Amino acid sequence: DIQMTQSPSSVSASVGDTVTITCRASQDISKWLAWYQQKPGKAPNLLIYATSNLQSGVPSRFTGSGSGTSFTFTISSLQPEDFATYYCQQGDSFPRFTFGGGTRVEIK
Amino acid sequence: QVQLQQSGPGLVKPSQTLSLTCAISGDSISSNSVAWNWIRQSPSRGLEWLGRTSYASKWYIDYAESVKGRITINRDTSKNQFSLQLNSVTPEDTAVYFCARGSFRAIDVWGQGTTVTVSS
Repeated sequence: DIQMTQSPSSVSASVGDTVTITCRASQDISKWLAWYQQKPGKAPNLLIYATSNLQSGVPSRFTGSGSGTSFTFTISSLQPEDFATYYCQQGDSFPRFTFGGGTRVEIK
Repeated sequence: QVQLQQSGPGLVKPSQTLSLTCAISGDSISSNSVAWNWIRQSPSRGLEWLGRTSYASKWYIDYAESVKGRITINRDTSKNQFSLQLNSVTPEDTAVYFCARGSFRAIDVWGQGTTVTVSS
């Protein structure tokens, strides 16, 4: 199975800050990396697919980059509604997806 | 827009069978290029993909190795829904279970989630 490692596991930030999360795959996954936001008691919500493609309706302050085994997710100008947990997910071993352990973005 | 509505019990006894159903609206279970998945989430295991069914000229079903032998995903095209059965459950199977649509190798639509507790 492809393992996905996210870092950091949590980050404290203020409104207006830029937050960066890293996701590393245990093997080459090409461009097949997605990012999700999850708020307590809710299902995850797709933000970015295929490394850098913004899902419809998602604000442009969310961006993704990378390839192969190393990927980055950035939230520019953090907004109050962005405080949540974020997950990466690999889709290379389709249909067998695996997810990262999550990064909690907290208010400083 | 596409919506997934889950139903099923929230409490299952150990060794019994967990059964959940996911009703699809706004799309067809027979659509090409999408897949219909079951995913669970627990503090100990995180987000875990369990299996999927999809149609692309023929029907496909795939299961995670972690639950293979205990899991069955069925589809009902007449009702436009799919279901999950997980046999011989233990407390380790306690989790929030989601049905979800896969597209472009990601999950773009999720059900509301069902908290399932395995306890006597």
